[in-house]
Amino acid sequence: DAGITQSPRYKITETGRQVTLMCHQTWSHSYMFWYRQDLGHGLRLIYYSAAADITDKGEVPDGYVVSRSKTENFPLTLESATRSQTSVYFCASSDMVREQYFGPGTRLTVT
Amino acid sequence: DAKTTQPTSMDCAEGRAANLPCNHSTISGNEYVYWYRQIHSQGPQYIIHGLKNNETNEMASLIITEDRKSSTLILPHATLRDTAVYYCIVRPLGGKLIFGQGTELSVKP
Repeated sequence: DAGITQSPRYKITETGRQVTLMCHQTWSHSYMFWYRQDLGHGLRLIYYSAAADITDKGEVPDGYVVSRSKTENFPLTLESATRSQTSVYFCASSDMVREQYFGPGTRLTVT
Repeated sequence: DAKTTQPTSMDCAEGRAANLPCNHSTISGNEYVYWYRQIHSQGPQYIIHGLKNNETNEMASLIITEDRKSSTLILPHATLRDTAVYYCIVRPLGGKLIFGQGTELSVKP
């Protein structure tokens, strides 16, 4: 089905572990984004990508790594998870001028 | 990017029009007004956007003042399913979305 999907939907991991959140879109949108949402902070941009192999930092990039080898995928990796990275993560995509479409979110808990 | 100011919360009776205000007094000439909403536990959903003229789609209407310093999102016949946080964002086409705290709209029976 067309759309934007995220996996896993729920993840529990331990402090110090590496974890990768996946994002896949079927529209061939050039732009993709990662946000985190915490109580009291709203949605904050972590990283975004304008095209395959082009990525840039958002408001809160520390502790995260992204890659974009294919247009349709934009994985987000926490190289060494910390408790402060417990959050809900949303992926989004758009073409250059239109609105962003958001995925259903991944709820990550770091213990 | 210009900053927006919205009321923290609003109530609306089911079936009535919900009018959500947004101030953006520092908006630049190339910045559009976008509205998104987020229903609890879901990803944000695009509603509407505009530059100068009023806009209407199947979800809502957007009224932008002539000086572009404020706007109002109108949900003409609010339902319980419209209960959500509504975000007003100003940005140029293709620019980043910067979410504020939004307005928590509660539609009551």
